[in-house]
Amino acid sequence: QKEVEQDPGPLSVPEGAIVSLNCTYSNSAFQYFMWYRQYSRKGPELLMYTYSSGNKEDGRFTAQVDKSSKYISLFIRDSQPSDSATYLCAMSLSGGYQKVTFGTGTKLQVIP
Amino acid sequence: GAVVSQHPSRVICKSGTSVKIECRSLDFQATTMFWYRQFPKQSLMLMATSNEGSKATYEQGVEKDKFLINHASLTLSTLTVTSAHPEDSSFYICSARVSQVNTIYFGEGSWLTVV
Repeated sequence: QKEVEQDPGPLSVPEGAIVSLNCTYSNSAFQYFMWYRQYSRKGPELLMYTYSSGNKEDGRFTAQVDKSSKYISLFIRDSQPSDSATYLCAMSLSGGYQKVTFGTGTKLQVIP
Repeated sequence: GAVVSQHPSRVICKSGTSVKIECRSLDFQATTMFWYRQFPKQSLMLMATSNEGSKATYEQGVEKDKFLINHASLTLSTLTVTSAHPEDSSFYICSARVSQVNTIYFGEGSWLTVV
């Protein structure tokens, strides 16, 4: 079993739809949770980061963490064609030199 | 957000030669930097963790004599691919940890093609 599981997609949605991207994980010690967006042939770009459980909203993006279920989500409202990219979830233990563990990424395509 | 600069963005080298990739944190000090490799349509594979002033920690299966990592300052880490072979052709990405928020920012990546 992988430490972080993420559906690779691809996920195709019409423009304006609400997108839900999800990851599950097995290590209950993870404390920091992140979502990255990666366009083709580019480095990942940090979208959201959250500490422990709860919700965080930033513009059209909302990140949710449910530590009891070991489940995190990223919601994109009013999706745009420019949101078409691969979305990577990531998580790490608290502090120090702990490395970040990534999901395999979900490829999203928003169709105009 | 924090800016991480990676150079060169693309490099082509001949088989048997060495190539150096630089990773710089432009507006913050990074005590820890990470080097990844990404194959087409696959996720990031962590190669090594680079700590300023000490030897890098390599992941299992990564040859430390082939992928030399140096983190000489709080803003610069370098990856040198020695005696490159065509199978080393890949997308190499660095990232740097921002201590205050315990998250990482990525560079733009470097495409290495060994011919």
